[in-house]
Amino acid sequence: QITLKESGPTLVKPTQTLTLTCTFSGFSLSGSGVGVGWIRQPPGKALEWLALVYWDDDKRYSPSLKNKVTITMDTSKNQVVLTMANMDPVDTATYYCAHRRSSDSWLRVYFDYWGQGILVTVSS
Amino acid sequence: DIQMTQSPSSVSAAVGDRVTITCRASQGISSWLAWYQQKPGKAPKLLIYAASSLQSGVPSRFSGSGSGTDFTLTISSLQPEDFATYYCQQANSFPITFGQGTRLEIK
Repeated sequence: QITLKESGPTLVKPTQTLTLTCTFSGFSLSGSGVGVGWIRQPPGKALEWLALVYWDDDKRYSPSLKNKVTITMDTSKNQVVLTMANMDPVDTATYYCAHRRSSDSWLRVYFDYWGQGILVTVSS
Repeated sequence: DIQMTQSPSSVSAAVGDRVTITCRASQGISSWLAWYQQKPGKAPKLLIYAASSLQSGVPSRFSGSGSGTDFTLTISSLQPEDFATYYCQQANSFPITFGQGTRLEIK
């Protein structure tokens, strides 16, 4: 059974750096085809993809956030970490991590398992 | 970036109705499209991938079709648990992009 859970601060101040951790079970990030992504959703708004890391440490980023976001993986801890610099109130959102369907070719990214999400508020 | 546009933004329907939601891509994406269902306060749930493939465990009243730039999600007979917001997502190329969502409300 695949599960994912996000953890980290729920309140950060403007200009601070946000670090969120996705801890998962039921799969290994060392398995071929595996990927974990981060998606966010501002209150009442649509989903926005942020970043994805593949089993081979190939990383993909949203161009609009590429200089702000970093994704890393720790295979031994079954964790994927998202770091977002220079937080702004517009970054207030629920942040989700999600597992990529592994049976698809590497470029085809569909998220079949999601964490419960963590609401991060950016305010002074 | 590939822009995904859903229509309508919201729709009202009754239990038992047949409902169709449309998603249009700003350029051709072959059949690389997914549909998700999201209920308030919950994470999205994958319903359909590759435009028409039903994700395991999803009821057969959900179906998807289309290719190229135009896609549809159809719910053949609405059930009370289907009232939610639906999103399309293109998997043709990075960056991954989602539609703005379609809210399905009870009439």
